[in-house]
Amino acid sequence: DTEVTQTPKHLVMGMTNKKSLKCEQHMGHRAMYWYKQKAKKPPELMFVYSYEKLSINESVPSRFSPECPNSSLLNLHLHALQPEDSALYLCASSRPGRRTYNEQFFGPGTRLTVL
Amino acid sequence: QQQVKQSPQSLIVQKGGISIINCAYENTAFDYFPWYQQFPGKGPALLIAIRPDVSEKKEGRFTISFNKSAKQFSLHIMDSQPGDSATYFCAASRTTSGTYKYIFGTGTRLKVLA
Repeated sequence: DTEVTQTPKHLVMGMTNKKSLKCEQHMGHRAMYWYKQKAKKPPELMFVYSYEKLSINESVPSRFSPECPNSSLLNLHLHALQPEDSALYLCASSRPGRRTYNEQFFGPGTRLTVL
Repeated sequence: QQQVKQSPQSLIVQKGGISIINCAYENTAFDYFPWYQQFPGKGPALLIAIRPDVSEKKEGRFTISFNKSAKQFSLHIMDSQPGDSATYFCAASRTTSGTYKYIFGTGTRLKVLA
């Protein structure tokens, strides 16, 4: 299994809603990432988990709350979002090992629209 | 020093032609350079990657050329096909203990005409 899966594919939410994005991989990868991508822009790193511990937070607003319950699963909890948070949210993972740790594999993304 | 500059922003190539996309970096500590292909509404897919101990890597129709002294690397797509029409991102990262941040280029939108 060489796949990163993300659910849901599409999400529409109001500014007062609470929702969660889910990411799953079964490749034995021990680093997992959340990215945000706006149209015609490169992915922008939000969070990195390494061995289930948060290792990088790129100064992301607290309305985005990541969670890594186990080595295969990564969640992004959303609360009180703004319309400008509408974007494609991408999850990625990479496997341990000095020469392989760089290879990040991306999921298909969740298209989020905040009304 | 953390930037990766990518050019051109967009590229139109005839079917069967060669597509060339260039990237330049400043930080000499970068030691891993992947290229990603992204179709609209999809996640980026790792296409090919290179480390600075080699000057060229080829996988099928895709070749990375790497010039360490010039701090530049490029993607060549031989015999370009309409199915190659996508956005291509180069990236650079530094191998240290722990996880590895990617610094992405700004992307190149490739269109291959049938």
